[in-house]
Amino acid sequence: GDSVTQMEGPVTLSEEAFLTINCTYTATGYPSLFWYVQYPGEGLQLLLKATKADDKGSNKGFEATYRKETTSFHLEKGSVQVSDSAVYFCARSNDYKLSFGAGTTVTVRA
Amino acid sequence: EAGVTQFPSHSVIEKGQTVTLRCDPISGHDNLYWYRRVMGKEIKFLLHFVKESKQDESGMPNNRFLAERTGGTYSTLKVQPAELEDSGVYFCASSPQGGRINEQFFGPGTRLTVL
Repeated sequence: GDSVTQMEGPVTLSEEAFLTINCTYTATGYPSLFWYVQYPGEGLQLLLKATKADDKGSNKGFEATYRKETTSFHLEKGSVQVSDSAVYFCARSNDYKLSFGAGTTVTVRA
Repeated sequence: EAGVTQFPSHSVIEKGQTVTLRCDPISGHDNLYWYRRVMGKEIKFLLHFVKESKQDESGMPNNRFLAERTGGTYSTLKVQPAELEDSGVYFCASSPQGGRINEQFFGPGTRLTVL
């Protein structure tokens, strides 16, 4: 079935460090790919998305590129801030149903 | 515009009791979804409504779970009787009809603890 695998956390970084969270997906059909973020005490928010191969999603300094050849959608940010501390979820969708990874908890220290 | 709201934010009940979770989608959104995250694992799909009709309930764990969406507005998810393994965070999401159906807007979740 459809599944998403993302790197396990937790991840702890210092401010201004580079962040990468790996994500791979099962290559069933032509999925859309997403990164959702959950800040403390809040709901899931869509961070960025890509709907076809080679698309790059970007938002708030985060980027992820839809790589069909490696079935990957890794999340990157060049310089993290304390406010980026959150749980990040990679997800895929062929239609209406989202399939999520297990989430990666990121803590950024000042 | 108000986002997706869920009530309660937390619920602690004993095994065997009944709990009802409520979700109010964004006004005008025909699509409503329930998801669950158990014990820090992946968020899993439970079911999908289009207006008041269940389109897909393939993710519902068993018949102790009952979801309704009378009138096509808010939805409830009842767990009866609750078991220990039902503990987790229950998320609701909605999306508009005719929009990009896979752009879902999530609520803050209800954290359910079954003792």
